[in-house]
Formats: sequence, structure tokens, C-alpha cells
Amino acid sequence: LAKTTQPISMDSYEGQEVNITCSHNNIATNDYITWYQQFPSQGPRFIIQGYKTKVTNEVASLFIPADRKSSTLSLPRVSLSDTAVYYCLVGPGRDSNYQLIWGAGTKLIIKP
Amino acid sequence: NAGVTQTPKFQVLKTGQSMTLQCAQDMNHNSMYWYRQDPGMGLRLIYYSASEGTTDKGEVPNGYNVSRLNKREFSLRLESAAPSQTSVYFCASSEPTGLNTEAFFGQGTRLTVV
Repeated sequence: LAKTTQPISMDSYEGQEVNITCSHNNIATNDYITWYQQFPSQGPRFIIQGYKTKVTNEVASLFIPADRKSSTLSLPRVSLSDTAVYYCLVGPGRDSNYQLIWGAGTKLIIKP
Repeated sequence: NAGVTQTPKFQVLKTGQSMTLQCAQDMNHNSMYWYRQDPGMGLRLIYYSASEGTTDKGEVPNGYNVSRLNKREFSLRLESAAPSQTSVYFCASSEPTGLNTEAFFGQGTRLTVV
């Protein structure tokens, strides 16, 4: 299973765009990249999943370069409520929740 | 819009006591999971169930047992609690045939073993 590396913490300000980069040098051909968000005292919440290029939904965009050895989660115009821990996960196929390895994630703090 | 419901939300056990954590989902998902999360760490998979009637060990199964009672319910049992099992436990479910493999998580059970 591909191991991921992401910054332990990041700070930003309200209204800014935040980009969190995740490194996964050993990603396999059939691996998908998934990001989750977790608020204190809550279970993680799915943000976005992708395989290559760019994926966008109502809350975030996921950029994946051609070599797929890294990915960047982009949060547009963040607010205080985006303060949370963000996890980058890589796993085989679309149905790989039971194989995902959860690291410590990136603690994002948004300041007023 | 219940999603995944876990009970209880909090529990304190004495070493050696047993208890069962309950989990139910109302999304008709086939796959269900039990994780534990220690402070400052990511989640670790204890057991999962790919479908009704099947269960498999995850990364940290020792000291736990599970039952997939039916498609909705997946329980986690601690037969003889130990302080090392103090953690926050999350249940989750997903549907492998969906557009993506989004897992839906419950609110968690905060367990303290003294």
C-alpha cells in the first residue's frame, strides 16, 4: 500500500485559498487518492476522491499531476469552520476502505 | 437523515469488564467498519465486514470481536477491557458499488478503561 506524507500543520486566514499537498511516491497503477476532513470529537467526513488530473466538487478541488506521485487538495476561500484535520489516503481501486492506511493528517488552522 | 449511529457515546470501564459497542446504518450499505483513534493519530482498522455474514480482521484486531448481525448492524465487543483499549471508536459504512468509495462515519464512542 502506498504511504502518504503530508504536512503536520498549516495556518491560513479567512478568505484565502488553501492548498494542502500530499506526497505518495509509491502509488500503484490502480490506486485512487481520497481526502477526508475531521473536526474535533467527530468522525471523518469524505471530501473528494480522484485518480488523475483534476476533480472538483462543491467544497474542494483535487489536483493530481501526470506522474500521480503527489496530489493537492485545494480549499477555496476558507472560513473559520474549515479548521480541522485533513487526511490524504491512497488505496487500490474504488472500494478500498478496508485497506487504507490513515496517517496523522494535516491540522489546518484558519485565523480571522 | 440518521446515517451511521453509534451507542454509547461515552463509556468508562474497569479493567477486565466487557462491553459491546453498537453501530447501525440506514443507508443500505454492504460494507461496515470499526476503527479506533488514539490522540493525535489517524484511524486504525480493527475489523470490517464486506457484506452481511462476513467479517475480517483489520490492522489491530487483538482483544476485540465483532458481529454483523444483519445488513444494518455491526457490533464490536471487548471481552476483557484493558487500559490500552482506551480510545475513540468509530464505526463506518460504505457502498462499494457507488460512484466513489465514500465512507460514512458515526460520531464515535469515547471509551476509557481504568
